[in-house]
Amino acid sequence: DAMVIQNPRYQVTQFGKPVTLSCSQTLNHNVMYWYQQKSSQAPKLLFHYYDKDFNNEADTPDNFQSRRPNTSFCFLDIRSPGLGDAAMYLCATSRRGVSTDTQYFGPGTRLTVL
Amino acid sequence: GNSVTQMEGPVTLSEEAFLTINCTYTATGYPSLFWYVQYPGEGLQLLLKATKADDKGSNKGFEATYRKETTSFHLEKGSVQVSDSAVYFCALIAPSEGSTLGRLYFGRGTQLTVWP
Repeated sequence: DAMVIQNPRYQVTQFGKPVTLSCSQTLNHNVMYWYQQKSSQAPKLLFHYYDKDFNNEADTPDNFQSRRPNTSFCFLDIRSPGLGDAAMYLCATSRRGVSTDTQYFGPGTRLTVL
Repeated sequence: GNSVTQMEGPVTLSEEAFLTINCTYTATGYPSLFWYVQYPGEGLQLLLKATKADDKGSNKGFEATYRKETTSFHLEKGSVQVSDSAVYFCALIAPSEGSTLGRLYFGRGTQLTVWP
C-alpha cells in the first residue's frame, strides 16, 4: 500500500562522511521533491525533478546533490555532512507539479550527524 | 511573493472541545490551499485541500473553507480527540512559477495537544 517509501528511516553519520538517502514511489508521478525539516520548523524545499529535469532552489548548499536514475527512484546525497545538516529529510511526489495536484510525502529519514 | 501565516502554537485542548487554527496567505494568482498533519516522528499527511475560492475541504471531521476575500483557510473541527494530537501545517501551491514547479509554501506549523 505504501506509495512513497524512504530508506532508511533513521540514519546516523559522522561529521564529513558522505551519506545517501533513498526515496522510491509507486505512484508513477512525474515530479519528485526533497525537503529538509529541522526541529520545530516547516519543511524547506531543497530541489525537485520533473522527470529527469533537475531544479535546485537558490539557497540549497552545494553540499547537497540529487540523482534520479528512473521514474521510481530519487536519491539525496550529502557530500560532507555538517552538524547543521541534522534534520528530517522528506521526499514527496506530485503527478504533474501543477498547483491543483496533491503532494504525497514519504515517512521521512531522520539524519543524525555525530 | 507567496507566503503562509498560521496561528502560533502550542494549542492545548480537552477532548471534545472545538478547534480552530487560523491560516492566512499571500499569493500571486490563485493558489491551491492545503492542510497537512504530521504525527510525531512521521512524514506529512494530506488532511484536506481546496483548489478554488469558496471550496470547502473536509476529512476526518476537519473542515476548511477557501476564502478569497479574506485570503484565509482556517482549519476547524467540532470535537477533537486525543488522537488528533499532532502538528498541523497550512500550505499553498501557487500557479506554476517557472522552475519551482508545484512548490509548497508552508506556514510554521501549529502543535495541537488534546488531553483526555
